[in-house]
Amino acid sequence: DVKVTQSSRYLVKRTGEKVFLECVQDMDHENMFWYRQDPGLGLRLIYFSYDVKMKEKGDIPEGYSVSREKKERFSLILESASTNQTSMYLCASSSPDGANEKLFFGSGTQLSVL
Amino acid sequence: RKEVEQDPGPFNVPEGATVAFNCTYSNSASQSFFWYRQDCRKEPKLLMSVYSSGNEDGRFTAQLNRASQYISLLIRDSKLSDSATYLCVVNTYNTDKLIFGTGTRLQVFP
Repeated sequence: DVKVTQSSRYLVKRTGEKVFLECVQDMDHENMFWYRQDPGLGLRLIYFSYDVKMKEKGDIPEGYSVSREKKERFSLILESASTNQTSMYLCASSSPDGANEKLFFGSGTQLSVL
Repeated sequence: RKEVEQDPGPFNVPEGATVAFNCTYSNSASQSFFWYRQDCRKEPKLLMSVYSSGNEDGRFTAQLNRASQYISLLIRDSKLSDSATYLCVVNTYNTDKLIFGTGTRLQVFP
């Protein structure tokens, strides 16, 4: 069965802390994504990667960075957490299929920045 | 104007009812379309793709209207377990990104 695993279900951090969100997929997918989901705003794309050591900015990359050292792992980094980064973070992966890309999501990390 | 728009609901329907949701998209170059289902405090999961000719999967029917730029999801014989948020997702090939709507919440009551 397809599996995308996020390291933490809930996280509480303080303003200014460096935060690492880890995501691992076991489907040998090339593509990996980080979204955040906020009420009334839906899912917004932060960063994505189509290959190891490759990264592309999504719609809201400010305040975030990513790392993809191995194909199965895609990390989201908040260099200096701020309260407006309190959100649900969802990692997803997919295998390239032209315009018919289907995403498989992890169960999410609810991050609270105090 | 949002790229993908949905009525947030909630749609409150009794068991056994038929309910339909629409989703409009603004980019006429959009190439592929999906419905995802998201249960409360869970991750989104693919419900079905939407094909040009329309497609059916059991009680669920999805349709695409390119001229009016909307897709629809019809659920027949609603079950309590259908209660969830339904996300409309659009892929615009020239941007190679999936755009999510904010979702329509469905609540089925006994």
